[in-house]
Amino acid sequence: EADIYQTPRYLVIGTGKKITLECSQTMGHDKMYWYQQDPGMELHLIHYSYGVNSTEKGDLSSESTVSRIRTEHFPLTLESARPSHTSQYLCASSDMRGNEKLFFGSGTQLSVL
Amino acid sequence: RKEVEQDPGPFNVPEGATVAFNCTYSNSASQSFFWYRQDCRKEPKLLMSVYSSGNEDGRFTAQLNRASQYISLLIRDSKLSDSATYLCVVSLSGNTPLVFGKGTRLSVIA
Repeated sequence: EADIYQTPRYLVIGTGKKITLECSQTMGHDKMYWYQQDPGMELHLIHYSYGVNSTEKGDLSSESTVSRIRTEHFPLTLESARPSHTSQYLCASSDMRGNEKLFFGSGTQLSVL
Repeated sequence: RKEVEQDPGPFNVPEGATVAFNCTYSNSASQSFFWYRQDCRKEPKLLMSVYSSGNEDGRFTAQLNRASQYISLLIRDSKLSDSATYLCVVSLSGNTPLVFGKGTRLSVIA
């Protein structure tokens, strides 16, 4: 089983609040990713990182930001949450050494009121 | 044209049936291919990698056709527990993120 953890599992918050979604993995993976997925819809890559102090924006424009200060930790921050941010956020990681298998966390379901 | 295209379904099949999904990709330089499975309200999980020579894992067979730029997944003797969304995933190289298709939804009915 994957050793990648996301907290919180569910978050309901009011508009304008700053939030941070946590993601940690204990597998020593260099690559980490954040995806956004609405129910029944496709996955959208919003951020990724290939190592410490390296972050890139994904295909979907997002108002969120990420940081990668430690290999195992890849938090995602929304400075001012809006109802349009309501979605499921999935974190994933993979090994840099040619193995493309992605391990996903259980996700954070965010609802912004 | 989307990089990875799949028929969204749903495919509704009886238990024991054989069902096949196809997926096309647009970039001929793509190097790695995978099928992931995603259950309702769960995270995706790797089902199997797809190799050039084709590969089988129990009731599941994956094929790659580079000339036509498509991959396929065949499920034999469908079980109720096979009901899920199957995601076609393509990688251009080890230095670019995986590209996910929208998924094909399968419902196996008793």
